[in-house]
Amino acid sequence: DADVTQTPRNRITKTGKRIMLECSQTKGHDRMYWYRQDPGLGLRLIYYSFDVKDINKGEISDGYSVSRQAQAKFSLSLESAIPNQTALYFCATSDLRLAGYNEQFFGPGTRLTVL
Amino acid sequence: GESVGLHLPTLSVQEGDNSIINCAYSNSASDYFIWYKQESGKGPQFIIDIRSNMDKRQGQRVTVLLNKTVKHLSLQIAATQPGDSAVYFCAEANTGFQKLVFGTGTRLLVSP
Repeated sequence: DADVTQTPRNRITKTGKRIMLECSQTKGHDRMYWYRQDPGLGLRLIYYSFDVKDINKGEISDGYSVSRQAQAKFSLSLESAIPNQTALYFCATSDLRLAGYNEQFFGPGTRLTVL
Repeated sequence: GESVGLHLPTLSVQEGDNSIINCAYSNSASDYFIWYKQESGKGPQFIIDIRSNMDKRQGQRVTVLLNKTVKHLSLQIAATQPGDSAVYFCAEANTGFQKLVFGTGTRLLVSP
């Protein structure tokens, strides 16, 4: 969805490096999410934020941190990347006020490879 | 704990056939269910959703059926087209909670 953008789209890094993945949205949604997708598995929630002052851990938050810089921006950081963090990362947004509330709109994904 | 699973990892159909993708869920407290389609290299895209006060909902060429008794969800695609080839995910949530639990996905392959 072009309304949700992620940068970079692809990144190769080395073990121990700090990496930041960024997500921006123009939908005006208040809720933002970071997911991880591994081959053969569904999406697993890393962190989510219901508004700028609200940050919550998902099911697999260890090794990750997030920052909600503004309503439209939500970044994911890997403080010290390790190879098993190699995965596809997706950002998503949602807005409780919409009729289809709970529907989440996904960005195009970031493919991260940790060597 | 919560889990959402799919019966078949890959479904192969011919163009024009009807496709049925199944999903089992284990959390009886879930009252909202959603299907996403993910094409190669793209993020998941919303297909259709259904709330627990319904047992059927139809969209354009798609129908979602919900059987709360056996905690089963299905996605039916009518007259499947090559463009329907993708991985399909079901997900469940509690109303207002805004946290979706995703299944592992079913790959739909449509041959001409």
